[in-house]
Amino acid sequence: KQEVTQIPAALSVPEGENLVLNCSFTDSAIYNLQWFRQDPGKGLTSLLLIQSSQREQTSGRLNASLDKSSGRSTLYIAASQPGDSATYLCAVRSFSGGYNKLIFGAGTRLAVHP
Amino acid sequence: DVKVTQSSRYLVKRTGEKVFLECVQDMDHENMFWYRQDPGLGLRLIYFSYDVKMKEKGDIPEGYSVSREKKERFSLILESASTNQTSMYLCASSTRQGPTSGSTVGELFFGEGSRLTVL
Repeated sequence: KQEVTQIPAALSVPEGENLVLNCSFTDSAIYNLQWFRQDPGKGLTSLLLIQSSQREQTSGRLNASLDKSSGRSTLYIAASQPGDSATYLCAVRSFSGGYNKLIFGAGTRLAVHP
Repeated sequence: DVKVTQSSRYLVKRTGEKVFLECVQDMDHENMFWYRQDPGLGLRLIYFSYDVKMKEKGDIPEGYSVSREKKERFSLILESASTNQTSMYLCASSTRQGPTSGSTVGELFFGEGSRLTVL
C-alpha cells in the first residue's frame, strides 16, 4: 500500500533563504508525482508535475526532483519570499492505487518571515 | 488556464438536510473528483468519475452520492447531512489519458473548496 510522508511538518525561514521540502513514498511503481500549494482556507494550486520517466521539473523559482529508486522527491524553493508562506503537499499516482487515485502527504507548513 | 469552479465557498446546514455541492470545470477533462479535507486526516477521496454518468467509490463514500450528467459538471450530494460531515470539500479534475503520451496528462486541478458546517 502506497504511503506518502512529508518532512518536516513545519518550517520557518527568513526571507531570501533557499529551502528544500521533502516527500518520500514507499512504493516506487508510480505514474507521476505532483506538488501543490495550499493557502489557508483555499483549494490546492498545482505547482509541478513530474512524470515517472522524468528526473526534475522547473517553474520559476521552484524546482522539483524525483528519484523513484529511493522513493523520494524534493521541492527546492530559491530565494524564498513571504508570499511563499503556505502549506505544500505532494501527491503520488501509483500503480497499486490505480491511475485515478492520488495518495497525498500530510504537507509541510512553510512560513517565510521578512 | 484550467478553471475548476465550486458553486459555494461557505455553507451552513442543519442535521438531516439534503446538501448539494456543485463543481464545474472548463477544460473538457474526463476525470472529476470529490475530496474532503480534515485537520490531521489530510485529503480523502470520496468519489470520482471518469466519464458522464460513470462513477467510482473512493475511500470514504458512505453518506455521499454523486451525479455526473454532463462532462463539465460533477455534483456531490449529502442525502441527510450529519455533524461529522462538517469539513472542507474539494473538487478536482484531470485528463484521463494514460501516462504514455509524454505530456502533462493527469495533472490534477482543484477548485477553491467549499467549507460546509452542519449544525
